[in-house]
Amino acid sequence: TQLLEQSPQFLSIQEGENLTVYCNSSSVFSSLQWYRQEPGEGPVLLVTVVTGGEVKKLKRLTFQFGDARKDSSLHITAAQPGDTGLYLCAGTPNDYKLSFGAGTTVTVRA
Amino acid sequence: GAGVSQTPSNKVTEKGKYVELRCDPISGHTALYWYRQSLGQGPEFLIYFQGTGAADDSGLPNDRFFAVRPEGSVSTLKIQRTERGDSAVYLCASSYDPAGELFFGEGSRLTVL
Repeated sequence: TQLLEQSPQFLSIQEGENLTVYCNSSSVFSSLQWYRQEPGEGPVLLVTVVTGGEVKKLKRLTFQFGDARKDSSLHITAAQPGDTGLYLCAGTPNDYKLSFGAGTTVTVRA
Repeated sequence: GAGVSQTPSNKVTEKGKYVELRCDPISGHTALYWYRQSLGQGPEFLIYFQGTGAADDSGLPNDRFFAVRPEGSVSTLKIQRTERGDSAVYLCASSYDPAGELFFGEGSRLTVL
């Protein structure tokens, strides 16, 4: 059983469309992180959100942390083929042990 | 090196064999982690080292799995009597300190036939 549930599991969209990926938990996290992983590579950190209600923007990516610090979302505007990858959310119930969701596989078709 | 280095990148072995996977963290990073990622899943925590000692090995699935970091740098994950269910990508990550950003290696893909 995973602490963090991600939805949807798979997402395939056309270049230029928008998409949102969700990460939910029944537990409260001190912070949540979003990673992107490409085939044959390790996950790479995109952002860390630490404050309930926080919104962070990274170019076309917008990350939101829920007010209760139990959920988060990742929104991509005008997706490009280069955004294709596995998006993982992760949280730390303690200071060091990251717990990952199962991930959302995003495919952006040209 | 500039990043976390893992060897081998691919390992195919037969059921019952012994396997060692190596991780060379970023220089100066005191914290080192091993994760396991099965197909279609996110990484699953195995063990965490702070310096030379295993601060938390609660994620190791059973006593066939063991990891060491004798000099506080390179770490080796050892799997005895491999089983088909051990097939996965084994990821290593390091960070400057326990609360710092994790940097992952490319992983070692283990296939047990």
